[in-house]
Amino acid sequence: SQQGEEDPQALSIQEGENATMNCSYKTSINNLQWYRQNSGRGLVHLILIRSNEREKHSGRLRVTLDTSKKSSSLLITASRAADTASYFCATDANTDKLIFGTGTRLQVFP
Amino acid sequence: ETGVTQSPTHLIKTRGQQVTLRCSSQSGHNTVSWYQQALGQGPQFIFQYYREEENGRGNFPPRFSGLQFPNYSSELNVNALELDDSALYLCASSLEVGKLFFGSGTQLSVL
Repeated sequence: SQQGEEDPQALSIQEGENATMNCSYKTSINNLQWYRQNSGRGLVHLILIRSNEREKHSGRLRVTLDTSKKSSSLLITASRAADTASYFCATDANTDKLIFGTGTRLQVFP
Repeated sequence: ETGVTQSPTHLIKTRGQQVTLRCSSQSGHNTVSWYQQALGQGPQFIFQYYREEENGRGNFPPRFSGLQFPNYSSELNVNALELDDSALYLCASSLEVGKLFFGSGTQLSVL
């Protein structure tokens, strides 16, 4: 079963625009992570935010976490065509096993 | 490059056969997790191994089994293959709870 649900399922934007993806989850967590996947290959870790953190930045990425609403958002600023990929949130549900959401497919047009 | 390698990259089997997928962890990582990803879906947790012992299992039948070796490399075995087993199988290693390092996956097709 999926712990997280990403929204939207698919997103198409132009280069230079910002892309926002949301993730909702069901149970309490220790941390939430975001991963990126190109063309159905291996996933690459982007950022980890702990349950006692509300916002975190890494380069053009900004992640927020609202544990009261059990939700997180990933913002990619000034998007590039190379950002085209699927993005997944993953939570540990207070275990040491990561459970992934359903993903958002991002398409950035040049 | 994550340092996690999986073999083979592609595999075609027929229904009822058995398959073994292999994964070499990133150096120093003692935990390996296996995931199944169907087309258009998120990765589904199969099981995790920590220091050669199974350390948690997802909602998969017993015909999905695994091993972790003293060098922390790992195998995923699937018996009595079914058509629905067609998927990308991902291995991920980690040193502790937190960030996972994924291999590029094995694409399994069951005909």
